[in-house]
Amino acid sequence: DSGVTQTPKHLITATGQRVTLRCSPRSGDLSVYWYQQSLDQGLQFLIQYYNGEERAKGNILERFSAQQFPDLHSELNLSSLELGDSALYFCASSIGSQSSYEQYFGPGTRLTVT
Amino acid sequence: DAKTTQPPSMDCAEGRAANLPCNHSTISGNEYVYWYRQIHSQGPQYIIHGLKNNETNEMASLIITEDRKSSTLILPHATLRDTAVYYCIVRALNTDKLIFGTGTRLQVFP
Repeated sequence: DSGVTQTPKHLITATGQRVTLRCSPRSGDLSVYWYQQSLDQGLQFLIQYYNGEERAKGNILERFSAQQFPDLHSELNLSSLELGDSALYFCASSIGSQSSYEQYFGPGTRLTVT
Repeated sequence: DAKTTQPPSMDCAEGRAANLPCNHSTISGNEYVYWYRQIHSQGPQYIIHGLKNNETNEMASLIITEDRKSSTLILPHATLRDTAVYYCIVRALNTDKLIFGTGTRLQVFP
């Protein structure tokens, strides 16, 4: 158990819909990262927040957005969903934002778009 | 970030040491070597990381060559539970994200 929690575990929705994935970081961790893992693209970094502020952006689509709240939990919002958005979405957290800090991953949310 | 090259798959007998190689010939002086693993579709699990010196923790040992162009992750006594995809990642000091390659699929057999 990494200490990172993600809800829900599974999500099935239809194309065109909007969903919100939630992540609670480990106690004391200020950084939250979102990753997407699909069969054809592997594990890809989406976005990072540090203490409420956006810190880095990766291959995140404009239809996707995220935020980190004052209690440090984070939400990833996916809208106008397409079949290709079906994937595992992982959240990770770390103490800080330096590369010397390891990231701890949650169990993931499996999103299926039908 | 420097690219890494790993063999796509390896086998190891249970109880034996598993030695997973990684080539990172274009690594820069400020880049760390990280190892993560992913068991089935679970979240990736941090194993170990290092900059220059060899490192050891309760899970594994990391051996980095003197020129830092390659490294080896050693699982000293592999168990069936170590069957997973192992990712070697090179990460710069000013980079927050992890860039995952395709990794090595380690199969531990009885």
